[in-house]
Amino acid sequence: GDSVTQMEGPVTLSEEAFLTINCTYTATGYPSLFWYVQYPGEGLQLLLKATKADDKGSNKGFEATYRKETTSFHLEKGSVQVSDSAVYFCALSGDTGNQFYFGTGTSLTVIP
Amino acid sequence: DAGITQSPRHKVTETGTPVTLRCHQTENHRYMYWYRQDPGHGLRLIHYSYGVKDTDKGEVSDGYSVSRSKTEDFLLTLESATSSQTSVYFCAISEYVVGGGEAFFGQGTRLTVV
Repeated sequence: GDSVTQMEGPVTLSEEAFLTINCTYTATGYPSLFWYVQYPGEGLQLLLKATKADDKGSNKGFEATYRKETTSFHLEKGSVQVSDSAVYFCALSGDTGNQFYFGTGTSLTVIP
Repeated sequence: DAGITQSPRHKVTETGTPVTLRCHQTENHRYMYWYRQDPGHGLRLIHYSYGVKDTDKGEVSDGYSVSRSKTEDFLLTLESATSSQTSVYFCAISEYVVGGGEAFFGQGTRLTVV
């Protein structure tokens, strides 16, 4: 069945460091891919998405490219800020569009 | 922000009692979901609904039931709460669109079973 595997955390970075959180997926057909962010005590918020191969999703300085050949959707940011400290979830929705599969989440802490 | 309201936001209950959590949406989205979030497990789907009175089980449905009598409301019931059901519960909604629609999440309900 469909599934998502993402990098284990926690990740601790200094402010202005480069961030990569790895995400790979298993799916039949052509899934849509998402990154969600969860701040403490809150629900998940969509950070970015990509709906077909080679699409790049971007938002708030974060980027991820849908790579079908490597079944990956790695999240990157060139210069992290303290306010980026949160838990990040990679997710996919399959061909039917109504089932979502989430990774286990990666906790990011950015220190000044 | 998507109009999703979960109630209550926090609840403490005793083992063996029934508990109902409510999710209310104002977006008229077709699909509604209940997830639980636990450390090390991420989000796990409990039940979902694809229309009024149309529901299906997720991967961790044992001990839970759901009902959807109106488009806007999706109820999750723990028939007899156990300590293993202590968790944070999230409701989500989505609408299928060509090219992939995203899920929108509520703020969560923290449930403690003592």
